Amino acid sequence: ETGVTQSPTHLIKTRGQQVTLRCSSQSGHNTVSWYQQALGQGPQFIFQYYREEENGRGNFPPRFSGLQFPNYSSELNVNALELDDSALYLCASSFMEAGSGNTIYFGEGSWLTVV
Amino acid sequence: GDSVTQMEGPVTLSEEAFLTINCTYTATGYPSLFWYVQYPGEGLQLLLKATKADDKGSNKGFEATYRKETTSFHLEKGSVQVSDSAVYFCALSQKTSYDKVIFGPGTSLSVIP
Repeated sequence: ETGVTQSPTHLIKTRGQQVTLRCSSQSGHNTVSWYQQALGQGPQFIFQYYREEENGRGNFPPRFSGLQFPNYSSELNVNALELDDSALYLCASSFMEAGSGNTIYFGEGSWLTVV
Repeated sequence: GDSVTQMEGPVTLSEEAFLTINCTYTATGYPSLFWYVQYPGEGLQLLLKATKADDKGSNKGFEATYRKETTSFHLEKGSVQVSDSAVYFCALSQKTSYDKVIFGPGTSLSVIP
């Protein structure tokens, strides 16, 4: 039990629609990041938020966007859904400390199916 | 760029067998190294980590040693159980301004009674 909670756990959307996924960080953590895990693959970094600002981004298009709120919860928004967006979306939280490879803790994930 | 390579699976072992899952990495500097485990239908759980060369991470009977000279972080367990059946991911994280973790492709382990 990591203390990182995500919702919804499963959802189905139609191509072209928009989706919002939610995450509550582990208590005491100030950083949240999102990963996409396609079936049979390792997770891929989407972006990270620290102090409500995006401070790192992977190779994902702008239609993937996010928010971090003052209570360190977060949202991942994906616009104009494509079939290839079908994946497990993982939220992770950590406590940002300078000069260290901080350990991140993952939630259970949200399974998104785009049809 | 940084990357992680793992031995391909699936790996099938009998209960109480010895487990080794090979992991090598390519990265500049001295990244932190991790093993994560994913049980069927679940998210990722941190299994163990090592933050500097020659560190040994251990948890639940699993061990891995950070070998800078061979850029490796192989996962081992002396006696596997059926409950160890899962997908194992080797990963690294650089000491940068943000905590981007780079994962390997995962190795599926099945332990049979």
